[in-house]
Amino acid sequence: GAVVSQHPSWVICKSGTSVKIECRSLDFQATTMFWYRQFPKQSLMLMATSNEGSKATYEQGVEKDKFLINHASLTLSTLTVTSAHPEDSSFYICSARDDRGLAKNIQYFGAGTRLSVL
Amino acid sequence: QQQVKQSPQSLIVQKGGIPIINCAYENTAFDYFPWYQQFPGKGPALLIAIRPDVSEKKEGRFTISFNKSAKQFSLHIMDSQPGDSATYFCAAILSGGYNKLIFGAGTRLAVHP
Repeated sequence: GAVVSQHPSWVICKSGTSVKIECRSLDFQATTMFWYRQFPKQSLMLMATSNEGSKATYEQGVEKDKFLINHASLTLSTLTVTSAHPEDSSFYICSARDDRGLAKNIQYFGAGTRLSVL
Repeated sequence: QQQVKQSPQSLIVQKGGIPIINCAYENTAFDYFPWYQQFPGKGPALLIAIRPDVSEKKEGRFTISFNKSAKQFSLHIMDSQPGDSATYFCAAILSGGYNKLIFGAGTRLAVHP
């Protein structure tokens, strides 16, 4: 089965520092990856669509300079939360869309990263 | 038009019961409808998915019923077990482009022994 690895699973940082979260597709190539944010007991909110070799597409209301996305290879996308503040504390989840044929509609999700900003 | 409305918000059933979760959509261009299961502190996992040209799909104890004319679809969990206790999300995809997932609000299911 398709596996998406997300690291770290939990990070605590001080206010004003930057945090990088990695998302890797382990056994398939993913031209497109997605980054979501989830608040407690709520649904997933799409933050941005990450495309290998090009700039990410951000959803309305998401600060591009706050949430930097890099998709440097077909198996790796990173999300960097810059100058993190307590209000950035949340559960961040990535997903990867399988490039292969019939599976193109399927997104496989990572296990998520819980970010706590002190 | 891009919304997917999901109900109920929470659901409690006894072991062996058949919880039913309902979703409705407006955009008839949606062409793929997956369901995801999420346990606390984990990412969502794909459970089962259906295309609008199919009225029903079964995988193990999970069944999707799809009513294209009513623009509604539902998830049934047969012989529910305490291990099925999780949050379930329906979703819809508009194929083409980046295939963004449009999620429902989620249903928190508790299956009591």
